[in-house]
Amino acid sequence: AQSVTQLDSQVPVFEEAPVELRCNYSSSVSVYLFWYVQYPNQGLQLLLKYLSGSTLVESINGFEAEFNKSQTSFHLRKPSVHISDTAEYFCAVRQTGGKLIFGQGTELSVKP
Amino acid sequence: GAGVSQSPRYKVAKRGQDVALRCDPISGHVSLFWYQQALGQGPEFLTYFQNEAQLDKSGLPSDRFFAERPEGSVSTLKIQRTQQEDSAVYLCASSLARRGQVNTIYFGEGSWLTVV
Repeated sequence: AQSVTQLDSQVPVFEEAPVELRCNYSSSVSVYLFWYVQYPNQGLQLLLKYLSGSTLVESINGFEAEFNKSQTSFHLRKPSVHISDTAEYFCAVRQTGGKLIFGQGTELSVKP
Repeated sequence: GAGVSQSPRYKVAKRGQDVALRCDPISGHVSLFWYQQALGQGPEFLTYFQNEAQLDKSGLPSDRFFAERPEGSVSTLKIQRTQQEDSAVYLCASSLARRGQVNTIYFGEGSWLTVV
């Protein structure tokens, strides 16, 4: 069965500092990987996804993630964070049939 | 509507009470999913519909949980005889499910259930 592990439950960081949120998956088949963001009292919003092709994928607000098959990882990075990036971030892998399996989430807290 | 709509947004139920949570997916979306998100946890899969057919209900935690989508659009998640451990956010999601494509899954804002 596929699973997702997010290694850090909380990541505090100062504004304009770089950040990396770690995600590892387990799967014996081809994977489709996703990062979702959840702002307080809101639903999940898709941040970026890896389906195939280039292993580096980017979002419109400066986040990027790199698919690394040998390390079974899909870490999320941003070179300079803003206060508005404070949110919960979830890594997910898509199972056959379409359902998503989520990690436990990483709470990113950006401080001024 | 523009997005996945869920109601009620907040529900407080007394233990033992039945509750019904409604999901209105994005128009034209074939696939519909229900997830349960406990406080501080990631969403956990409950069940999946393709049109009106419930293709996967492996995540429903007990026979007190029941979901339906009779006309292939709006879906209702019903929880009978609620218990405190049912307190969670219930997320609905939908996608186009075009054959041969990995379609984006869009989530609603969730229904926050508190059982007291």
